[in-house]
Amino acid sequence: AQKVTQAQTEISVVEKEDVTLDCVYETRDTTYYLFWYKQPPSGELVFLIRRNSFDEQNEISGRYSWNFQKSTSSFNFTITASQVVDSAVYFCALNRPQGGKLIFGQGTELSVKP
Amino acid sequence: EPEVTQTPSHQVTQMGQEVILRCVPISNHLYFYWYRQILGQKVEFLVSFYNNEISEKSEIFDDQFSVERPDGSNFTLKIRSTKLEDSAMYFCAGTGLNEKLFFGSGTQLSVL
Repeated sequence: AQKVTQAQTEISVVEKEDVTLDCVYETRDTTYYLFWYKQPPSGELVFLIRRNSFDEQNEISGRYSWNFQKSTSSFNFTITASQVVDSAVYFCALNRPQGGKLIFGQGTELSVKP
Repeated sequence: EPEVTQTPSHQVTQMGQEVILRCVPISNHLYFYWYRQILGQKVEFLVSFYNNEISEKSEIFDDQFSVERPDGSNFTLKIRSTKLEDSAMYFCAGTGLNEKLFFGSGTQLSVL
């Protein structure tokens, strides 16, 4: 069975701090995709990244970076120099290729205070 | 950038009434989904739809639920007889060959 665990329910930081959101997953598949989504207070789900299980290179996009480690089944997300606009719930998710359903973690609510 | 469009954004209904939630996926998508999110909880899978039929459904997706893609464009979720516990945000999603899953902005369903 597939499972995604986000152990941090809530994180609160002060603006300009760096913050890392943890994600640990379980799957028996050898090929899978990992995702991060942002859910701001307005409620929509905003796609941030998709990572293929065969690609363990870390990725950086502006202030966002992702650390994928297959050995520990983790796909952590770091926001550098956090801003108030980063305040949201962040979901990590996992699926199989070819249309597999997304399995979501419980989400981490990030609060960035000025 | 193309978007997944959902209507209405809010729907209020009485318990026992039928509701239809509508979605217009991105035109070149192949797989379509409905998810729901009860307030404060995680996003849960309901059903996936491929090649004009259901490819997978969850335990939540019982006989009260149905999906259709009647005209090759709109993708609808029908709840036949709503219950209080159906109150949630319902998200439509789609993906194509690049497997990036995009969500609509959701329909907030309130069952009174």
